[in-house]
Amino acid sequence: DTGVSQDPRHKITKRGQNVTFRCDPISEHNRLYWYRQTLGQGPEFLTYFQNEAQLEKSRLLSDRFSAERPKGSFSTLEIQRTEQGDSAMYLCASSLARHSHNEQFFGPGTRLTVL
Amino acid sequence: AQTVTQSQPEMSVQEAETVTLSCTYDTSESDYYLFWYKQPPSRQMILVIRQEAYKQQNATENRFSVNFQKAAKSFSLKISDSQLGDAAMYFCAYRGSTYYTDKLIFGTGTRLQVFP
Repeated sequence: DTGVSQDPRHKITKRGQNVTFRCDPISEHNRLYWYRQTLGQGPEFLTYFQNEAQLEKSRLLSDRFSAERPKGSFSTLEIQRTEQGDSAMYLCASSLARHSHNEQFFGPGTRLTVL
Repeated sequence: AQTVTQSQPEMSVQEAETVTLSCTYDTSESDYYLFWYKQPPSRQMILVIRQEAYKQQNATENRFSVNFQKAAKSFSLKISDSQLGDAAMYFCAYRGSTYYTDKLIFGTGTRLQVFP
């Protein structure tokens, strides 16, 4: 399968714990995006990378959140000291940005539940 | 800041009939892209159709078409000959046109039910 993959698909954690999610983009896609989707809402942009450079971060991304894409391939999103409000679906997407007309392909998401 | 509004939380349609999902947006930009994404239950989001704001012609993809009214900032999705597999959440999304304006701004979604 050559689509965007995310691991794990589900994560249950206790408040205060740290969690890390992984996203593997479509091979050769140079852009990678993270979004957060809470129940009943549309996805909200968190951050995106072009290769290994983080080009934009949303104000939603508090100091407890950090994202990396160290070799320009897979990316990780870490949440430190989780809070109940962090419970959401975390979506990853990737695209091949040759010009302004580029389609984002989404992964299946990681559903986080903070108890 | 750009915003996207979907005022229909839920819609339903009978199989083989036509349904229209509404979307309005707000922006001060003159060039941008609009999208409709489909998110089936427990499955990943897929792109249904895309419209470039500089194109006057409405986009069409098989049974899916849009009614793009730039002056009114309206972007509705029409699904013709509805099928059971069309049941899903549908999200309208906006994206700026520059190379580095790459984030998608989504509406809150419309849940479409299709009845046999």
